[in-house]
Amino acid sequence: AQKVTQAQTEISVVEKEDVTLDCVYETRDTTYYLFWYKQPPSGELVFLIRRNSFDEQNEISGRYSWNFQKSTSSFNFTITASQVVDSAVYFCALRKKSSGDKLTFGTGTRLAVRP
Amino acid sequence: KAGVTQTPRYLIKTRGQQVTLSCSPISGHRSVSWYQQTPGQGLQFLFEYFSETQRNKGNFPGRFSGRQFSNSRSEMNVSTLELGDSALYLCASSPEGQLNQPQHFGDGTRLSIL
Repeated sequence: AQKVTQAQTEISVVEKEDVTLDCVYETRDTTYYLFWYKQPPSGELVFLIRRNSFDEQNEISGRYSWNFQKSTSSFNFTITASQVVDSAVYFCALRKKSSGDKLTFGTGTRLAVRP
Repeated sequence: KAGVTQTPRYLIKTRGQQVTLSCSPISGHRSVSWYQQTPGQGLQFLFEYFSETQRNKGNFPGRFSGRQFSNSRSEMNVSTLELGDSALYLCASSPEGQLNQPQHFGDGTRLSIL
């Protein structure tokens, strides 16, 4: 069975602060894919970033960066210089190669960015 | 390119009724998945369809069913509605065979059971 844990329920920061969202996952599969999604109040899930299990290179994309470490089964996501528009619920998700399109989501972290 | 379209956006039903939700995937996407989101249980996988066949199923009772048409559009049906079925139902589509590609989600259907 697979599991995704987002220990941070809510985070509140002031605009322009950097914020890191934590994600720890469990799976016995050797091939899997990790994703971060953002859910604004309107409800739709917006894809942000992804990482494959066989590629541990960490990257930066604009204000977003991520730190994937297989040794600790973590896939943390950082927003640099946060903005009010970043306020949303953020979900980490795991997809195993053996489970097709099924995504297992964490419980989400609610981020509030105050002006 | 149009995104994933779900209809209706909002729905109010009473206990015991049945409901059908619709999802049109992104053009060219042949895989459609459904998720239920509630405050208590979070986001849970319902089922996945590809080529009009259910390929994967989550742990939901038989009251929850779905189907996919030849044009990849999908519907899900919930019979004998219960208060606990009140939720946001999200549909997602993805290209087949590309597991490293993200699923794209619709705006969801918010179902309220009175």
